[in-house]
Amino acid sequence: SAVISQKPSRDICQRGTSLTIQCQVDSQVTMMFWYRQQPGQSLTLIATANQGSEATYESGFVIDKFPISRPNLTFSTLTVSNMSPEDSSIYLCSVDVGQGGEAFFGQGTRLTVV
Amino acid sequence: AQSVAQPEDQVNVAEGNPLTVKCTYSVSGNPYLFWYVQYPNRGLQFLLKYITGDNLVKGSYGFEAEFNKSQTSFHLKKPSALVSDSALYFCAVRDNWGKLQFGAGTQVVVTP
Repeated sequence: SAVISQKPSRDICQRGTSLTIQCQVDSQVTMMFWYRQQPGQSLTLIATANQGSEATYESGFVIDKFPISRPNLTFSTLTVSNMSPEDSSIYLCSVDVGQGGEAFFGQGTRLTVV
Repeated sequence: AQSVAQPEDQVNVAEGNPLTVKCTYSVSGNPYLFWYVQYPNRGLQFLLKYITGDNLVKGSYGFEAEFNKSQTSFHLKKPSALVSDSALYFCAVRDNWGKLQFGAGTQVVVTP
């Protein structure tokens, strides 16, 4: 298993500003994932973050809006840039233990943009 | 493309009664199926998974799920629901690139 610490747990931000979310894992992992959960919706994968390479973004998500860092095998950050009210969501980081293994999630960051 | 469907937005059940949350899947090849639960203001917690083997999978908190290949279903069950089981439940499947595809989620409401 993996224990994931994510912070902040929640924040209220002004439109036009940026917020960086941190994700710390208690063990070394190859891939980390960032998801968005809009109000009342399911999880949507934003990007996959591999250590030592640029993140791979899913359709509809771009690096300028959601820059990701992955400086080592236990840590990643997601920045939500130039925020608008439409960015109000829960953002979750996740790690995976392989194709047949389950994923583990941080507790999420509830972001409200006003 | 791999996908999962959860046909019910909400399931209401009285405490002590059996609970079933439905999930159907569409995959090419052998499916890797998962159930997660999300409590308010929390991340997702893993409940159980099906990779191979017995069709009846037992997981955390007394939950189990039955894999049915002919009906392409993976329904989550609990023989006797508790009020504390009230939460949002997600079914998920791994796609061919190893990514998890989540269902829309089913809100479970257990009344005393």
